[in-house]
Amino acid sequence: EIVMTQSPATLSVSPGERATLSCRASRWVTANLAWYQQKPGQAPRLLIYGASTRAAGVPARFSGSGSGTEFTLTISGLQSEDVAVYYCQQYNDWSPAFGPGTKVDIK
Amino acid sequence: EVLLVESGGGLVQPGGSLRLSCGVSGFTFSTSWMTWVRQAPGRGLQWVATIKGDGVQQDYVDSVKGRFTISRDNAKNSLFLQMNSLRVEDTAVYFCARGAEYWGDWGQGTLVTVSS
Repeated sequence: EIVMTQSPATLSVSPGERATLSCRASRWVTANLAWYQQKPGQAPRLLIYGASTRAAGVPARFSGSGSGTEFTLTISGLQSEDVAVYYCQQYNDWSPAFGPGTKVDIK
Repeated sequence: EVLLVESGGGLVQPGGSLRLSCGVSGFTFSTSWMTWVRQAPGRGLQWVATIKGDGVQQDYVDSVKGRFTISRDNAKNSLFLQMNSLRVEDTAVYFCARGAEYWGDWGQGTLVTVSS
């Protein structure tokens, strides 16, 4: 079983500043890593797959990087509508697993 | 427009059963892998089960193996999750989603509450 961890648990960022979210896998997952955004009362929204490919319609301020066991989601120029919980998810084996999430809010 | 709509959630006693449905439109359902993901109140996301387009292959998270069954009716563009021997810890919002590995299309979710 691959266990995903995320840090920090909560991130407060000023509007227009950069938010950097980290995700770590307990085993090698190559680039089989996705990121989701979830706002209260809503379903998750796919942001990134393949560690760095933006999903359709996702603004360019969202970018993903990393491979192997260490991954990063960067929000360049935080906007108020970006307040949400962000989850990473590995799909390298047949038991997909999510991280516990990072809550991003406005400072 | 891709649309997924879950139904069938509700309150059930421990040990009871419930069948969730997910009706879809806007894409070719019969060739699409489909997945159930759940989220306990105030908690994170957990993958539950995935089924191949032809229904031949299914996979489950260990905690539901032997209790839950994922199935589909391609003629009716519908996905199902039969949940038996329900436990308090199965309480969650259950989402259906399109895909096998990662999921770009989701329903709005249906709440399952297991409580006496």
